[in-house]
Amino acid sequence: DGGITQSPKYLFRKEGQNVTLSCEQNLNHDAMYWYRQDPGQGLRLIYYSQIVNDFQKGDIAEGYSVSREKKESFPLTVTSAQKNPTAFYLCASSIRGDTQYFGPGTRLTVL
Amino acid sequence: SQQGEEDPQALSIQEGENATMNCSYKTSINNLQWYRQNSGRGLVHLILIRSNEREKHSGRLRVTLDTSKKSSSLLITASRAADTASYFCATAPGGGNKLTFGTGTQLKVEL
Repeated sequence: DGGITQSPKYLFRKEGQNVTLSCEQNLNHDAMYWYRQDPGQGLRLIYYSQIVNDFQKGDIAEGYSVSREKKESFPLTVTSAQKNPTAFYLCASSIRGDTQYFGPGTRLTVL
Repeated sequence: SQQGEEDPQALSIQEGENATMNCSYKTSINNLQWYRQNSGRGLVHLILIRSNEREKHSGRLRVTLDTSKKSSSLLITASRAADTASYFCATAPGGGNKLTFGTGTQLKVEL
């Protein structure tokens, strides 16, 4: 099956810890994206990557980091510098930037 | 800031009725997309309408685009309980790869 997967589905973190969220796609898409969604809100772009070994900051990149070493993978690290990390995180991919295909999301809770 | 703003924020209708939601945006676009999100899940792409199109249909969905008013509408005909979800419009300002999402319309279809 082709698709985009995220793991874990639920993640709990203590304050001061870094955590890494996984995003994998086998759609052969060049572009990948990370979004954050807060309750009752739309999506806000954290980082995006249009090609392997290249990525750009989105609207709310502070406190986050990414890497794009492989076309299939775009992991997001939520660092201790992110002041309010509890949120729903969504990963997406696309071919040319038109339609984006989303993963099921990871819900991160900071304890 | 949000490029797209949906209206209304919430909509409750009876099964069989039509549901109409609107989206306004601020800058020029190449296309406008509508996505659906079931509670706690990732987004699913519904339909894309290009800036040179005025209307597009897909099953029970009808989307219109008025570039002079910078607005779009999504009509779901003969709604079903399974249509209950949040609906988001998304645009790529300047035609780039980055999508900007609105805050969404929460649709509830009651039996």
